[in-house]
Amino acid sequence: TQLLEQSPQFLSIQEGENLTVYCNSSSVFSSLQWYRQEPGEGPVLLVTVVTGGEVKKLKRLTFQFGDARKDSSLHITAAQPGDTGLYLCAGAPHSGYSTLTFGKGTMLLVSP
Amino acid sequence: EAGVAQSPRYKIIEKRQSVAFWCNPISGHATLYWYQQILGQGPKLLIQFQNNGVVDDSQLPKDRFSAERLKGVDSTLKIQPAKLEDSAVYLCASSLVLGELFFGEGSRLTVL
Repeated sequence: TQLLEQSPQFLSIQEGENLTVYCNSSSVFSSLQWYRQEPGEGPVLLVTVVTGGEVKKLKRLTFQFGDARKDSSLHITAAQPGDTGLYLCAGAPHSGYSTLTFGKGTMLLVSP
Repeated sequence: EAGVAQSPRYKIIEKRQSVAFWCNPISGHATLYWYQQILGQGPKLLIQFQNNGVVDDSQLPKDRFSAERLKGVDSTLKIQPAKLEDSAVYLCASSLVLGELFFGEGSRLTVL
């Protein structure tokens, strides 16, 4: 079983601050997805990265896939209370393999 | 477009009782997943269906958990008998063959 370790587990910041959360593994993934889960809801996909070194931007969120495709990071600029939630990374081990392995997530709390 | 529907949203039972959860995936999605999410952790795959066939059930505790997807559409997940450690949110997700997972809101189970 391929494991994804996310850090930090919990992050509490003030509105306007920047932050980075990490997703690391000793295994190579063909693709990696980031989801955000709000309380009482299911996870919602934010982005999929598939190429080593790839960087994708989604408004104030910047996602990077490591060159070796073993790690990824999510950077949020000028965090807002609406960014509060559980950020989950999920990896697919092989191209064409649909089963995802999820990390435990980073719980982000952004206070006004 | 209607999302993934799950019911019930909440269920409280005593240990050794049985419970069933229902999921209706997005129309046209061939792949259906059941995940277990314990408080503070990421989702753990229980079973994955491709149409009405099982792709992966390696982490399903088969002595007490069962799932079926008759006619390749709706699915039910049953737990019998329930244990205290089964308290969790049970998430159903669906996808086209590969790619983004669309999650339902989940069914929260409390076992007393």
